[in-house]
Amino acid sequence: ETGVTQSPTHLIKTRGQQVTLRCSSQSGHNTVSWYQQALGQGPQFIFQYYREEENGRGNFPPRFSGLQFPNYSSELNVNALELDDSALYLCASSTGQEETQYFGPGTRLLVL
Amino acid sequence: EDQVTQSPEALRLQEGESSSLNCSYTVSGLRGLFWYRQDPGKGPEFLFTLYSAGEEKEKERLKATLTKKESFLHITAPKPEDSATYLCAAVSGGYNKLIFGAGTRLAVHP
Repeated sequence: ETGVTQSPTHLIKTRGQQVTLRCSSQSGHNTVSWYQQALGQGPQFIFQYYREEENGRGNFPPRFSGLQFPNYSSELNVNALELDDSALYLCASSTGQEETQYFGPGTRLLVL
Repeated sequence: EDQVTQSPEALRLQEGESSSLNCSYTVSGLRGLFWYRQDPGKGPEFLFTLYSAGEEKEKERLKATLTKKESFLHITAPKPEDSATYLCAAVSGGYNKLIFGAGTRLAVHP
């Protein structure tokens, strides 16, 4: 197992609500990336944070936002939830010096 | 546009029947090619990183290889516990963004 943890494991929300997902990075890792994985698909890159700054962003609307804290834990916030936001949300941590990303177990979000 | 394509989508093998999974990629300036294993409802588990054409890496019954356009994951004498989805991903560009394929669902039957 990696040292990456995520909470909660499962979440049910209704359309229009807001949600916050949390990630604790592996020890010593200063970079965190978030991915969305729809059923039967590969993960899609949402954004990446390095030393508390957004370092890159995929094709996701601004209602997807994030934070990284000084202890390198991270949050993903999604506003105005839509049905299509139902997915497994994964965070992955890495060091700034190598590309290998280690994933957490994910948060399964269901939007009704 | 950067793209990663995996084939087949699904593969059913008998225990001990060796096979290969394919990952073709179209990215500008490949910085690394990654293989992950994902069990149902869990996060991807890192297997291998390949950096240059001709490179090979092995772990137990798995061997990953890389050419300028493709990567292969060879599975030798698979066991039922090798059943999982195998994901391939490429990194290119100025920051560490993984571009994933849709995965190959492998089922190994006794």
